[in-house]
Amino acid sequence: DGGITQSPKYLFRKEGQNVTLSCEQNLNHDAMYWYRQDPGQGLRLIYYSQIVNDFQKGDIAEGYSVSREKKESFPLTVTSAQKNPTAFYLCASSISSGKSAFFGQGTRLTVV
Amino acid sequence: GIQVEQSPPDLILQEGANSTLRCNFSDSVNNLQWFHQNPWGQLINLFYIPSGTKQNGRLSATTVATERYSLLYISSSQTTDSGVYFCAVSSLIQGAQKLVFGQGTRLTINP
Repeated sequence: DGGITQSPKYLFRKEGQNVTLSCEQNLNHDAMYWYRQDPGQGLRLIYYSQIVNDFQKGDIAEGYSVSREKKESFPLTVTSAQKNPTAFYLCASSISSGKSAFFGQGTRLTVV
Repeated sequence: GIQVEQSPPDLILQEGANSTLRCNFSDSVNNLQWFHQNPWGQLINLFYIPSGTKQNGRLSATTVATERYSLLYISSSQTTDSGVYFCAVSSLIQGAQKLVFGQGTRLTINP
């Protein structure tokens, strides 16, 4: 099945802990993105990557880190420096920057 | 940066009604997409429409890039059309293209 897979679907984290969200795609897309959505709000860009081994900060990168060591994978780490990490996180990919983007099913992160 | 405004923020209709959702953007864009977010949070692609008009069943979209707006039309609404509709645009910034989202229109279709 082709598509974008995010895991886990639900994640609970204790304050002060780092946590990594997985995003994998088998669409052979070059560009990948991470967005954050808060209740009743639109999506805000955290990080994006146009090509393997390269990534750029989005609008709200503080407290997050990413890597792009493989074309298929773009994991997001939510660090303890992120003050309000509870949110819905969405990963997307597109064949190249600016082309039609497709989204995974999202990960709901809750800090307890 | 580029601003994306969607209207109306909320829309409540009866099943069978038609609706028009609007997306205004503040600067030149290379691309524009419409998404439907279902109750489980997943974003479903509706249209990739940087310019012109497209139709897919009961849904159609028109983008007038020179006037910086796009419209999404839903005809003969069904309860399954309920959810949040997002417009997102790509703007060339520093050699890259970032997909910027509007705040969405929450559509509720009552039976």
